[in-house]
Amino acid sequence: DSGVTQTPKHLITATGQRVTLRCSPRSGDLSVYWYQQSLDQGLQFLIQYYNGEERAKGNILERFSAQQFPDLHSELNLSSLELGDSALYFCASSVGGGPVQETQYFGPGTRLLVL
Amino acid sequence: AQKITQTQPGMFVQEKEAVTLDCTYDTSDQSYGLFWYKQPSSGEMIFLIYQGSYDEQNATEGRYSLNFQKARKSANLVISASQLGDSAMYFCAMRDTGSARQLTFGSGTQLTVLP
Repeated sequence: DSGVTQTPKHLITATGQRVTLRCSPRSGDLSVYWYQQSLDQGLQFLIQYYNGEERAKGNILERFSAQQFPDLHSELNLSSLELGDSALYFCASSVGGGPVQETQYFGPGTRLLVL
Repeated sequence: AQKITQTQPGMFVQEKEAVTLDCTYDTSDQSYGLFWYKQPSSGEMIFLIYQGSYDEQNATEGRYSLNFQKARKSANLVISASQLGDSAMYFCAMRDTGSARQLTFGSGTQLTVLP
């Protein structure tokens, strides 16, 4: 158990809908990262938050947004869902957010299926 | 841009034998970190081992060791005394100062341990 929690574990929804994925980082970690894992794209970085502020953006679609709250939990909002958004979404956390040697610990993931 | 290459889509190993999973990387940075993660069929991403670019010794963690050859830009994972529970997908990942925050992942190697 990494100490990172994600809810829900599974999510089935329809095209055009909006969903929210939730992540709680390990105790003491200030950074939260979101990754998407799909069969065709592999593991891709979406976005990072550090202590409530956006720090880095990757291949995140405009239909997707995220935030980190004062208690450091984070939510990833996916809207106008398309079939291609079906994927495993991971949240990871780390203590800080800068050093290259800092390990990111992953949550169990949320498996999203868009029908 | 940084890149991670894992050239073995699938590997088989007999139980109790050692196996090496290959990883090569490309970066122009002097400071970077290399990570290996394990993803069992259940889906979670489990951190295994870390190697820093300035580390002079190869990293070891229990049955996992990293064969780090800086000049060749390779960071191969060695699993000794394979167990059935080692059957999983293994990802090599890198973080450098250029990527700022995220991990860049390879495409993974599916390891199957045979009884």
